[in-house]
Amino acid sequence: SYEMTQPPSVTVSPGQTARITCSGETLPKQFVYWYQQKSGQAPVLVIYKDTERPSGIPERFSGSSSGTTVTLTISGVQAEDEADYYCQSADSSGLYVIFGGGTKLTVL
Amino acid sequence: QVYLVESGGGLVKPGGSLRLSCAASGFTFSDYYMGWIRQAPGKGLEWVSYISSSHATYYADAVKGRFTISRDNDMNSLYLQMNSLRPEDTALYYCAKDAAYRSVAFDYWGRGALVTVSS
Repeated sequence: SYEMTQPPSVTVSPGQTARITCSGETLPKQFVYWYQQKSGQAPVLVIYKDTERPSGIPERFSGSSSGTTVTLTISGVQAEDEADYYCQSADSSGLYVIFGGGTKLTVL
Repeated sequence: QVYLVESGGGLVKPGGSLRLSCAASGFTFSDYYMGWIRQAPGKGLEWVSYISSSHATYYADAVKGRFTISRDNDMNSLYLQMNSLRPEDTALYYCAKDAAYRSVAFDYWGRGALVTVSS
């Protein structure tokens, strides 16, 4: 079965830049979406179609793509950005949804 | 304002059945794909199923043949019939609206309904 790989954890200090990667063989052909999930809350879409930011999402959130790896970048990390982050895409057919395993972002 | 409210969760024995419902408001329900995503305690997100606006259905391998997704556009409601439940189906089940970005992604989520499968 198809999988997408994320690092289990990333730790940064406030004001630094956090980069969270997501790797998968179909990523050059399928869009990737990123969700932020804070403790006890439902996920929130923060990046869509690899690089686009929904309205209401701070500009410090950005996405990029290169080959089989996509990256969520959070510039000038704030304490409120501490959360789990999940990438989501689809298999080669585009019909079946896949989530990455999630990355816990800790702001120390 | 988009609202999604799940109901129908609870405790069920292995092999049992449960039906989740999701009441939607704040958008034209019939125009959008809708999906279910679950999260086991302390674990990550797992896609379960989605249904197109024309009622085409898609399932994750883990639930195929046991779960059935459906929708009632007149009632603005989404359903998930879960049969032959297993302990590994224990999770918080989220109802979510597709963002209509060409490929399936979810821009609004409910707060979830907890399903516990245990004897």
